[in-house]
Amino acid sequence: GEDVEQSLFLSVREGDSSVINCTYTDSSSTYLYWYKQEPGAGLQLLTYIFSNMDMKQDQRLTVLLNKKDKHLSLRIADTQTGDSAIYFCAGLGDSSASKIIFGSGTRLSIRP
Amino acid sequence: EPEVTQTPSHQVTQMGQEVILRCVPISNHLYFYWYRQILGQKVEFLVSFYNNEISEKSEIFDDQFSVERPDGSNFTLKIRSTKLEDSAMYFCASSEARGLSYGYTFGSGTRLTVV
Repeated sequence: GEDVEQSLFLSVREGDSSVINCTYTDSSSTYLYWYKQEPGAGLQLLTYIFSNMDMKQDQRLTVLLNKKDKHLSLRIADTQTGDSAIYFCAGLGDSSASKIIFGSGTRLSIRP
Repeated sequence: EPEVTQTPSHQVTQMGQEVILRCVPISNHLYFYWYRQILGQKVEFLVSFYNNEISEKSEIFDDQFSVERPDGSNFTLKIRSTKLEDSAMYFCASSEARGLSYGYTFGSGTRLTVV
């Protein structure tokens, strides 16, 4: 089955860009997602990318997909203190799949 | 914006007791899910539910677990005899259909503590 891996921690300075990386195993994943979890809160969908895309930009967020290497990244430009959270990479298999598989999450902390 | 609502936000129960976690999915959604997250670990899939039956369940979802949609709005997860290792954050989610570009909408979770 699908497995999704992420590094556990990332620390960046306020105003810099953050890049959170993810690798996945299932090459049939049709959609890949980034979810954000703030302390004590639920999982908020940030953005997604369809598997036939290489890049997607949404305001400060840029998602890059390298299908050959099964590598997904999320870049947050001009990182702010409000971006402090855990970021989960997640994948959905083919269109008949009934579950999203999550990575372990990357905790992003912001230094002043 | 429509929300998935979960109650209670925190539940403390004694080992061996039954608990029911409640969720109100978004009203026009047809697919419902439960996930759990043990502290510091991955968000794990438990079960998906569609058309009043389980579509898929994970190895975690053993005979101690059951789900139900007792009426048109609620979706519940029951744990019959709780164990210490059931302590986790439980998330309910719903989606309009499968294979969506916009994923699932998650509730804010119920933190279950088994003592």
